Amino acid sequence: EVQLVESGGGLVKPGGSLRVSCAASGFTFSDAWMTWVRQAPGKGLEWVGRIKSKIHGGTADYAAPVKDRFTISRDDSKNTLYLEMNSLKIEDTAVYYCATEDGRSALWGQGTLVSVST
Amino acid sequence: DIVMTQSPDSLAVSLGERATINCKSSQSVLYSSNNKDYLAWYQQKPGQPPKLVISWASTRESGVPDRFSGSGSGTDFTLTISSLQAEDVAVYYCQQYYTTPRTFGQGTKLEVK
Repeated sequence: EVQLVESGGGLVKPGGSLRVSCAASGFTFSDAWMTWVRQAPGKGLEWVGRIKSKIHGGTADYAAPVKDRFTISRDDSKNTLYLEMNSLKIEDTAVYYCATEDGRSALWGQGTLVSVST
Repeated sequence: DIVMTQSPDSLAVSLGERATINCKSSQSVLYSSNNKDYLAWYQQKPGQPPKLVISWASTRESGVPDRFSGSGSGTDFTLTISSLQAEDVAVYYCQQYYTTPRTFGQGTKLEVK
């Protein structure tokens, strides 16, 4: 079955760190460009960043609000995408979705909730 | 960054009637070398991830009912549902993928009148 499954969300204090993961199955993960999109409670969709496939350089781009705090990486041997979040702020509270990205995003995971609170 | 602006913010339409959602980008998302508009529409129902319904401004994704259509080019786009069904109640987002950062519209909440 073609799917993406996020994990690793939870409650963290401001200034803390968290890593969320996205396990891919049913397609050739190593060929896929991947993206993270978040959605704060009751709000719209916000693009966080994306990572290219290794054959296209494997580099990542980030949205301004998370640049220098968040890092997107991938382990093609494990078919897994990661989002490392540091110096977390209350406004980072959101459901974090991973998705495939060939421009538009056709396959999405169910999301994992990250709550930043004292 | 390209700013995407949707109108209206919310919309109530009777079952069987037409629903129209607009999206305007702050700069053109038409790539001249291939004459393609890098514009997608997503549908999001409560508690679910977004679902891609339209890409390249007017290409319906596999399995999406033909009552959904996309139109427009350059900076002005429209998502039309020709005959609203109860299962179409959702929030709809446009997104440009012409450049990074990818940007979404603020969303349009579609309800049944």
